[in-house]
Amino acid sequence: KAGVTQTPRYLIKTRGQQVTLSCSPISGHRSVSWYQQTPGQGLQFLFEYFSETQRNKGNFPGRFSGRQFSNSRSEMNVSTLELGDSALYLCASSLSERHTQYFGPGTRLTVL
Amino acid sequence: GESVGLHLPTLSVQEGDNSIINCAYSNSASDYFIWYKQESGKGPQFIIDIRSNMDKRQGQRVTVLLNKTVKHLSLQIAATQPGDSAVYFCAELPNTGNQFYFGTGTSLTVIP
Repeated sequence: KAGVTQTPRYLIKTRGQQVTLSCSPISGHRSVSWYQQTPGQGLQFLFEYFSETQRNKGNFPGRFSGRQFSNSRSEMNVSTLELGDSALYLCASSLSERHTQYFGPGTRLTVL
Repeated sequence: GESVGLHLPTLSVQEGDNSIINCAYSNSASDYFIWYKQESGKGPQFIIDIRSNMDKRQGQRVTVLLNKTVKHLSLQIAATQPGDSAVYFCAELPNTGNQFYFGTGTSLTVIP
């Protein structure tokens, strides 16, 4: 069974731009969570989607948003990029709630 | 919010020795725990999990121990190999929700 895939793997943007990241979960998984990882920090939870509904949201500004499609694929969008948004963005999928999360390889976003 | 902390940010061990990585968690109501391994440039990889109704679980060369009395989790790696060099994270899932909380990670270096 294929793992979690994320595209693109690398992105370079400038301040003020916006970006969309994509995540395809493991087949059959309905829950998708997004995390931001920066050097020296643990994984910071962004939000979680289940059956196209956002169930949980972390403490990030409204510039960070996401959505999930009927096939469970998910996208996250960051608008008006700031230098501090440079990070590794990780997507994790799980079969359902309270199940093991499996991570993708991440998207490395660099904001110049 | 929840906090999951690691006792040591870095750990160096000789190849062939056993490694022990520790993790403290704050929510006594957490009932599911996972250890992840993250190699450079990759997403976190599931290693082993344990539920609160157990105090020990073994996998291939790895053992997770859970001490609910002191809210402590540990990962033991037997006969540590160079390929085990990575950052290890613990994750905690409180029984009241479906959001995981992650520690900041311990960097394990295996000395050949």
